Amino acid sequence: GAVVSQHPSWVICKSGTSVKIECRSLDFQATTMFWYRQFPKQSLMLMATSNEGSKATYEQGVEKDKFLINHASLTLSTLTVTSAHPEDSSFYICSARPGTSGRYEQFFGPGTRLTVL
Amino acid sequence: DAKTTQPTSMDCAEGRAANLPCNHSTISGNEYVYWYRQIHSQGPQYIIHGLKNNETNEMASLIITEDRKSSTLILPHATLRDTAVYYCIVRASSNTGKLIFGQGTTLQVKP
Repeated sequence: GAVVSQHPSWVICKSGTSVKIECRSLDFQATTMFWYRQFPKQSLMLMATSNEGSKATYEQGVEKDKFLINHASLTLSTLTVTSAHPEDSSFYICSARPGTSGRYEQFFGPGTRLTVL
Repeated sequence: DAKTTQPTSMDCAEGRAANLPCNHSTISGNEYVYWYRQIHSQGPQYIIHGLKNNETNEMASLIITEDRKSSTLILPHATLRDTAVYYCIVRASSNTGKLIFGQGTTLQVKP
């Protein structure tokens, strides 16, 4: 089956530092990847859509200068949380879709838990 | 994309079938019904999806009503490992592929 990995699985950082999270599709190519954020006891919230070789599309209310997304290859997308603050502490999850058609299912990574002190 | 309505929580006895309903009364003709689940502190897992016909795979069955305004996910023999939040999502085949998650149904499988 399609496998998506994330690295790191958890990270603790000091306020004001930047953190990079990687999302990789291991056995398929993903033209499109998605980034979600999930706070405790809440549902997943879509942050942005990442397209290989082009700029990401951010959802309303998500600061693109704070959450930098790069999708440099068909198997790798990165999310950088710049100048992290305690309110950025959350569970960050990526997903990838193997096909270009909207009918294809997405496969999710295991998530990265970010704690900002 | 059409909005979905699911019960907040459900219980099911281990070994019995779990039937999870979803209402999507405003669904349009090109929209698929997707089901995902999320076990605590993990990324969501794809279960099944369908357009009009009922679907079955190794994990579950998806029953879609003839008018497509509702559907039911069936886990035929629930186990304790099926305890999770189950999300029903309706999405057009022509859109960018993004999934909008609602609150889902928390299924508790009890021994």
